[in-house]
Amino acid sequence: QKEVEQDPGPLSVPEGAIVSLNCTYSNSAFQYFMWYRQYSRKGPELLMYTYSSGNKEDGRFTAQVDKSSKYISLFIRDSQPSDSATYLCAMGDQTGANNLFFGTGTRLTVIP
Amino acid sequence: DAGITQSPRHKVTETGTPVTLRCHQTENHRYMYWYRQDPGHGLRLIHYSYGVKDTDKGEVSDGYSVSRSKTEDFLLTLESATSSQTSVYFCASRVRGQGTNSPLHFGNGTRLTVT
Repeated sequence: QKEVEQDPGPLSVPEGAIVSLNCTYSNSAFQYFMWYRQYSRKGPELLMYTYSSGNKEDGRFTAQVDKSSKYISLFIRDSQPSDSATYLCAMGDQTGANNLFFGTGTRLTVIP
Repeated sequence: DAGITQSPRHKVTETGTPVTLRCHQTENHRYMYWYRQDPGHGLRLIHYSYGVKDTDKGEVSDGYSVSRSKTEDFLLTLESATSSQTSVYFCASRVRGQGTNSPLHFGNGTRLTVT
């Protein structure tokens, strides 16, 4: 079983839709959680960073962590064609050996 | 990008040849990392460095070595390239280590093909 599971998609939505991206994990020691966005032929860029359970909002993006269910989500409101990318979840623990565990990524296309 | 440059951006090499990939960062970050990204596997850590001349292995280190002689430069060497090392390689850096509010910043990758 992988440490982090993420549905690879692909996911296609019309412009303006609300997008929900999700990851599940198995290691209860994970304490902080990240979402990265990766455009084609580019490196991942950090979108959201959360520590512990709860919600965090940044503009059109909301990150949600449910540690009891070992489940994290990223919501994108009013999706735009520029949001078309691959979204990677990542997580780590407080004392890990300088490593993060990444999901395989979900490819999102927002259709104008 | 947080000032991370990878070179070359693309490389094609033959099986059995040595290959060195370079990563240069201008942020004075202490921690640097090499990942490979493959379909169905996501990003996997190869090696990382926690200071000049201080390195350690990651999840998929077999067949790779690294060196860090300066804060800003981190080299990844494939001693004898194999077809299984065909991948996209990403360098990343962070100002502080694990367990802190210090995100990873990535370069734009090197696409390596071993024929």
